[in-house]
Amino acid sequence: QVQLQQSGPGLVKPSQTLSLTCAISGDSVSSNSAAWSWIRQSPSRGLEWLARTYYRSTWYIDYAVSVKSRITISPDTSKNQFSLQLSSVTPEDTAVYYCARISHNTIPFWGQGTLVTVSS
Amino acid sequence: DIVMTQSPDSLVVSLGERATFNCKSSQSVFHVSDNRNYLAWYQQKPGQPPKLLIYWASTRESGVPDRFSGSGSGTDFTLTISSLQAEDVAVYYCQQYYHTPLTFGQGTKVEVK
Repeated sequence: QVQLQQSGPGLVKPSQTLSLTCAISGDSVSSNSAAWSWIRQSPSRGLEWLARTYYRSTWYIDYAVSVKSRITISPDTSKNQFSLQLSSVTPEDTAVYYCARISHNTIPFWGQGTLVTVSS
Repeated sequence: DIVMTQSPDSLVVSLGERATFNCKSSQSVFHVSDNRNYLAWYQQKPGQPPKLLIYWASTRESGVPDRFSGSGSGTDFTLTISSLQAEDVAVYYCQQYYHTPLTFGQGTKVEVK
């Protein structure tokens, strides 16, 4: 059974960088049949897909247009995990952030969620 | 982006009664190459991540009770709970996976009367 364990700070100051990590067990970040994503949820924006990475002989990465200039998703094969960095955050980036495993673009496995508050 | 619109925003149903809610996509999510609708439904309870219930518009995920069923094609889809149980109180979301970015509806909240 795939399990995803998120870690990272719950409070980030405005203009700083939000950083979260998702540790994978029961699967490999280099799997040829899965993709790995970050999704966030807030009352104002609902569920919002942010980014994905997947390996198919080479690494592929996609970003949502709304955050493309500020976001980085990075796989780490040595630790079997992937991470999210979102720079220049504002209070609008306050949300619950989820990591997820994607299969055929559906989302059967989710991390536990991390509430990230952007505030000074 | 494909916009997903759900209705109603909330629904109050008696235990044992049928609950039906709808999802409409701004463009068709039916893929002619494999004859499938790229539409999923999720259930989210407070403090938990969403849980995948149905994919390909009508295929139940393993372990999902058969009182949950999905139907529809193209741009109009329905999730039905045939006999509402207390544990079904949640918010339900549809999601299209026909195009990136993956997009979700705003959710329908189901409560017990």
